[in-house]
Amino acid sequence: KAGVTQTPRYLIKTRGQQVTLSCSPISGHRSVSWYQQTPGQGLQFLFEYFSETQRNKGNFPGRFSGRQFSNSRSEMNVSTLELGDSALYLCASSPMDTEGGYTFGSGTRLTVV
Amino acid sequence: DQQVKQNSPSLSVQEGRISILNCDYTNSMFDYFLWYKKYPAEGPTFLISISSIKDKNEDGRFTVFLNKSAKHLSLHIVPSQPGDSAVYFCAATWDSNYQLIWGAGTKLIIKP
Repeated sequence: KAGVTQTPRYLIKTRGQQVTLSCSPISGHRSVSWYQQTPGQGLQFLFEYFSETQRNKGNFPGRFSGRQFSNSRSEMNVSTLELGDSALYLCASSPMDTEGGYTFGSGTRLTVV
Repeated sequence: DQQVKQNSPSLSVQEGRISILNCDYTNSMFDYFLWYKKYPAEGPTFLISISSIKDKNEDGRFTVFLNKSAKHLSLHIVPSQPGDSAVYFCAATWDSNYQLIWGAGTKLIIKP
């Protein structure tokens, strides 16, 4: 079966721009969570969606937002990009409405210049 | 194809006993392995790591064992405590490449 698909794989943006990243979960998975991975900070939780509702949100500024569609696909948006937003953004999907059984995507490598 | 596999989705252990979480990998290029712990609504936090030049690393109640020939590592928690109940992720990387490859996670439940 197809894994978690994240598009695009690589992205270069300039400061002040906005960006939208996409995540298609494994078929049947209803939970999608987003993480920011950087060398210094490790993996930081952004938010989690389940059945189109944001269930949990990490400690990130309001410039980071997301949504989930009825087919469980999810998007995250970052507005007014800053240099510090350069990171690997990972999406993980899970079939259950509780913790566990995560499958991670390959990530989107965002570079802000 | 998953390069890092955690085949047990969940594990239940009595408080005070040993918890053993397992992780297998397929890519022989991996030279650094990490374990993370994740509570609900939080991102995974780093727990312990091991380089491929070692076969054991210990930090308090946590010990990670690496068997390179079997491409297998395990995390031992002794003694297990209620606060250890969480999801544990195994991750691997190579050549100082910070892109970690993550396992699916194992949910550890410590019973009182």
